[in-house]
Amino acid sequence: NAGVMQNPRHLVRRRGQEARLRCSPMKGHSHVYWYRQLPEEGLKFMVYLQKENIIDESGMPKERFSAEFPKEGPSILRIQQVVRGDSAAYFCASSNGQGANWGYTFGSGTRLTVV
Amino acid sequence: AQRVTQPEKLLSVFKGAPVELKCNYSYSGSPELFWYVQYSRQRLQLLLRHISRESIKGFTADLNKGETSFHLKKPFAQEEDSAMYYCALTGHGGATNKLIFGTGTLLAVQP
Repeated sequence: NAGVMQNPRHLVRRRGQEARLRCSPMKGHSHVYWYRQLPEEGLKFMVYLQKENIIDESGMPKERFSAEFPKEGPSILRIQQVVRGDSAAYFCASSNGQGANWGYTFGSGTRLTVV
Repeated sequence: AQRVTQPEKLLSVFKGAPVELKCNYSYSGSPELFWYVQYSRQRLQLLLRHISRESIKGFTADLNKGETSFHLKKPFAQEEDSAMYYCALTGHGGATNKLIFGTGTLLAVQP
């Protein structure tokens, strides 16, 4: 079991470009969570998805950010027209539906640098 | 407001010394509390959760509802305990079970 796979590990984008971050959950997990960690801060919840559905996007910035978890393939976090303030580590976690009470499994994260 | 506070950014101790990583929380209801750990170059992983009342790698944490604290303790620190530690909470039930994290404490155990 490869665990939660995130790619790329590191992503560099120029201001104004698009960033696409991918997350493949653990085998058997159909629930995906995205978190963002800004420098010197803790992880902040962004969005919770199940297959083909966004369940809670209360932590997503209102503009430029979107997430999807299609029936086939990985979950994608998309950031359009990136700005320097988007530079952060983005972590994905998956669960089998029991949620945080039974422990997420986290990926290794994608470190986005906007230059 | 829901919040987790870890007042220490860095805690440096010598090997064999006792360790206490502080965590205080603010939550209107009955939260579930967790400690996560991130060793160098590794992914974030669950260390322990209060509902299990477990001891992992010699670490324990007691939920004190009166003081709204969930401090992580270990009587004798080891060098391999050096890592980033995050306290987190989630609410009972609900549709999301999203975690609210503290800012983390870097534990450095000196030889």
